[in-house]
Amino acid sequence: GENVEQHPSTLSVQEGDSAVIKCTYSDSASNYFPWYKQELGKRPQLIIDIRSNVGEKKDQRIAVTLNKTAKHFSLHITETQPEDSAVYFCAASLSGSARQLTFGSGTQLTVLP
Amino acid sequence: KAGVTQTPRYLIKTRGQQVTLSCSPISGHRSVSWYQQTPGQGLQFLFEYFSETQRNKGNFPGRFSGRQFSNSRSEMNVSTLELGDSALYLCASSLWGPTGRSDGYTFGSGTRLTVV
Repeated sequence: GENVEQHPSTLSVQEGDSAVIKCTYSDSASNYFPWYKQELGKRPQLIIDIRSNVGEKKDQRIAVTLNKTAKHFSLHITETQPEDSAVYFCAASLSGSARQLTFGSGTQLTVLP
Repeated sequence: KAGVTQTPRYLIKTRGQQVTLSCSPISGHRSVSWYQQTPGQGLQFLFEYFSETQRNKGNFPGRFSGRQFSNSRSEMNVSTLELGDSALYLCASSLWGPTGRSDGYTFGSGTRLTVV
């Protein structure tokens, strides 16, 4: 089955700096890649997603890039703020949508004021 | 609109018992998926229901089962509880459009199950 690896497991950045989290997937047929943010004690929330027919997608300070050849995708957060501190999960699916997601192990992002 | 509601929020059970967790999806969402979240294994897919039918099942033993009712509410059941079943169980609902794509998961707050 699909396997998703996520790096780094922890990441600390200064407020205002950029943060990058990377994920690799094993099944070349995967075609949907969402990112979720989970604050301590709260539910995971979808922050951005990308499908395999697109190489990059942006939403304000957040962007995701996808390299199908290398089978990896990355989350980029610019101008980080303390409220960006959370655990971020990447995921992959074969269905083209949020369905039977395989998640990465998570990255604890800490934004230092 | 109301979000995804999971009950109960917390549960303590003894090894060998069984437990039933409930999930009410967002109104209009017919797809409900369940995930187990643990510190060691992360988020793992349990199963997905759509219009009362199980569409997919993850790699969990048969002690884990679920069902969905005609109003899209879903329950999952774990029988013969083991210590390793202690986890946060998350339910997620999604809306599937005529294109065959969903607009992404909305997760509930989860049920924290502790097996002692």
